[in-house]
Amino acid sequence: AQTVTQSQPEMSVQEAETVTLSCTYDTSESDYYLFWYKQPPSRQMILVIRQEAYKQQNATENRFSVNFQKAAKSFSLKISDSQLGDAAMYFCAYRSANTGNQFYFGTGTSLTVIP
Amino acid sequence: DTGVSQDPRHKITKRGQNVTFRCDPISEHNRLYWYRQTLGQGPEFLTYFQNEAQLEKSRLLSDRFSAERPKGSFSTLEIQRTEQGDSAMYLCASRPRTSGPRGEQFFGPGTRLTVL
Repeated sequence: AQTVTQSQPEMSVQEAETVTLSCTYDTSESDYYLFWYKQPPSRQMILVIRQEAYKQQNATENRFSVNFQKAAKSFSLKISDSQLGDAAMYFCAYRSANTGNQFYFGTGTSLTVIP
Repeated sequence: DTGVSQDPRHKITKRGQNVTFRCDPISEHNRLYWYRQTLGQGPEFLTYFQNEAQLEKSRLLSDRFSAERPKGSFSTLEIQRTEQGDSAMYLCASRPRTSGPRGEQFFGPGTRLTVL
């Protein structure tokens, strides 16, 4: 089974600053999708950004961008101009493009935004 | 609100009792997932439905766990003879029929189970 590792249980960032959350994964597949999900306290998990493994260009969604390094199996999330509303648990997730329907999640990073 | 809904939001039960949770996916979403999330962990896959068919089950899903989706709409997850180790948040997620592999899941708020 694929494994997803988030080595930073907790991170903090000053409001308006930039923070990077790291994620690594282990797979023998070449075609897959990677996701970052955000889980605010006591609220539903929502998608932040996704990346197709076949695309070399890093995905960007407004203040959120990723650094996808396929050879290194690394998928980090950069949050620019951090806002108080960004405080949440962030989960990295993997899904194969070809085998099965499972999403594999990391253990999460708790992000605190300091006013 | 047309999002994924789950009922109940919280459940406290005594060890050995049976519990059942319900998930109502977004209308027209034919794919439905159940996950378990324990404190400090990410969601762990339990099972997957496409329409009414249960196509995948995790090895985590012991024989005390059963899930159904009889008409391809709402789903239930039952845990029999609950154990303290079953205490967790149980999440439901759905995906639309038209989404390919890159499609996101839409999560419900979860049911928090506490087994005393």
